[in-house]
Amino acid sequence: QSVLTQPPSASGTPGQTVTISCSGSSSNVGSNIVNWYQQFPGTAPKVLIYSNNQRPSGVPDRISGSKSGTSASLAISGLQSEDEADYYCAGWDDSLNGPVFGGGTKLTVL
Amino acid sequence: QVKLVESGGGLVKAGGSLRLSCAASGFTFSDYYMSWIRQAPGKGLEWVSYISSKNNYTYYADSVKGRFTISRDNAKNSLYLQMNSLRAEDTAVYYCAREAGIRVAWFDPWGQGTLVTVSS
Repeated sequence: QSVLTQPPSASGTPGQTVTISCSGSSSNVGSNIVNWYQQFPGTAPKVLIYSNNQRPSGVPDRISGSKSGTSASLAISGLQSEDEADYYCAGWDDSLNGPVFGGGTKLTVL
Repeated sequence: QVKLVESGGGLVKAGGSLRLSCAASGFTFSDYYMSWIRQAPGKGLEWVSYISSKNNYTYYADSVKGRFTISRDNAKNSLYLQMNSLRAEDTAVYYCAREAGIRVAWFDPWGQGTLVTVSS
């Protein structure tokens, strides 16, 4: 049972917009920044969004992040086959005094 | 470029010990907090432990507290994880990651990972 809650799967067709949610509580998402990681099979995760909505260099602007209250979202527009991967949200938890992750969402491009 | 390379994984019997290493390059290692994060086969990510930049503060997930010890040698640009009393549920790929901030769960970059398999 992960501290942050994500849907286990999401899907869309090429060109569509897909949104992945991340639900937490006042001790984590509600009071700290949220970061998103992308992971392809057999490889290490890579940061996709940091500080709620900031993109590292090299991440296209069709990928965006947002946060409101105790929930955060990752949106991918203009869906492409190369977006098929696992996505994880993460944030600091003040009660646990450590980082916490969502359970991950497997994105399928149909 | 910034790079992290883990080593030391392998097959060990339950109750045994293993020491993981992470070699850092391309940045001033002593300026950054570092973490170990693991991923059991087919499962999600689980943070394991972090250590402050100057070695004076460590913290552990409850699942490994008392069994694992994180350490670092800033002179050697290296991070370590001593794992004792290993259990089957410790089987996972172990990643080292640089913390881009402090207390913000922003890990960048990650190493390629090293597989630890604990047989019962």
